[in-house]
Amino acid sequence: AQRVTQPEKLLSVFKGAPVELKCNYSYSGSPELFWYVQYSRQRLQLLLRHISRESIKGFTADLNKGETSFHLKKPFAQEEDSAMYYCALAFDSSYKLIFGSGTRLLVRP
Amino acid sequence: NAGVMQNPRHLVRRRGQEARLRCSPMKGHSHVYWYRQLPEEGLKFMVYLQKENIIDESGMPKERFSAEFPKEGPSILRIQQVVRGDSAAYFCASSPGIANTGELFFGEGSRLTVL
Repeated sequence: AQRVTQPEKLLSVFKGAPVELKCNYSYSGSPELFWYVQYSRQRLQLLLRHISRESIKGFTADLNKGETSFHLKKPFAQEEDSAMYYCALAFDSSYKLIFGSGTRLLVRP
Repeated sequence: NAGVMQNPRHLVRRRGQEARLRCSPMKGHSHVYWYRQLPEEGLKFMVYLQKENIIDESGMPKERFSAEFPKEGPSILRIQQVVRGDSAAYFCASSPGIANTGELFFGEGSRLTVL
């Protein structure tokens, strides 16, 4: 069965420190992977998707099929990055997303 | 565009009552997804609908839960004879359908509390 695992419930870093939010998935085919973010008092929204290969707000994520991972990285964390981050997987054209349990990122001043 | 609108935002029901949660997708969107989030857990897929059709309900409990997306009006998630375990946040998301990129647009959620 398809599954997304985010092993860390909370990640706390200081401003300016590098950040890596881990995501591993289980799926034997070719998935599409996404990172969604929920800032305080805002809706869940798309941050980035692996097929776009883009950097959004300084964040990047590379799909590693060998390790079945899609970790989210940022070299220098900012306080405004504090939020809940969810990794998600789509395995067919319905885009019925399978979400991980989320990681709360706290960036301290 | 007001975005995905869900109501009510908060709903309190006693055990055995019915709960109805409504979702109006973004303008121009014809696909609706419902997710449930239990405390300390991620979002779990429940059902995927297009106008007047249930496409995938593999995440719906077999009993007491139903969903619809009529030709006119919002999508409705209905929970009959609620139990305490139904207490959760229910999120609706929509997508355009055509040229779908996988980006879902979420509502603010409806928080159901069963006493």
